[in-house]
Amino acid sequence: NAGVMQNPRHLVRRRGQEARLRCSPMKGHSHVYWYRQLPEEGLKFMVYLQKENIIDESGMPKERFSAEFPKEGPSILRIQQVVRGDSAAYFCASSPNTGAPRYEQYFGPGTRLTVT
Amino acid sequence: KNEVEQSPQNLTAQEGEFITINCSYSVGISALHWLQQHPGGGIVSLFMLSSGKKKHGRLIATINIQEKHSSLHITASHPRDSAVYICAVLTQGGSEKLVFGKGTKLTVNP
Repeated sequence: NAGVMQNPRHLVRRRGQEARLRCSPMKGHSHVYWYRQLPEEGLKFMVYLQKENIIDESGMPKERFSAEFPKEGPSILRIQQVVRGDSAAYFCASSPNTGAPRYEQYFGPGTRLTVT
Repeated sequence: KNEVEQSPQNLTAQEGEFITINCSYSVGISALHWLQQHPGGGIVSLFMLSSGKKKHGRLIATINIQEKHSSLHITASHPRDSAVYICAVLTQGGSEKLVFGKGTKLTVNP
């Protein structure tokens, strides 16, 4: 059973370009979470999605950031018109269920975005 | 004040020493996670617990719900244990998001 997959692992973009980060959850997992780790800072929640639904996007910046998890294919985190402050590691996690009791989240290897 | 506080921020130990990392939180939680992040950056989930104690190899995690406190212990530490250890809580109230501590950087010297 393959783990959570993220690609690309490293992404370099110039200011103003778009960045697309992909996350394929573990087989059988229908819940995806995106987290951001800024340099020298802790991890912060961005968005929680289920298939075709955004459940909680309270951690997403109001502009330029969007996320989707379509019926088919990976979850996508999209950053438009990137700025240097977007440089960070972006981690995706997945879980099989979110009813009580809570289930463990499994993390992907992360995508390291560098904006030049 | 952060909802999740870890101590110490940095910890240096000699190989073989017993290690304790502490985590205190100020919110109601459904569960608490201990995560390990290696220098390469990947994150591995070590434990998820909501009560009592769990053990896996040389790692032991405990939680006291009344005191809102958890500890991660490493027995017979080894240089390969060098990593950042992160405490994260799943808050009550319907949200599925994790709230993270800032991490404890552990260095185990041979």
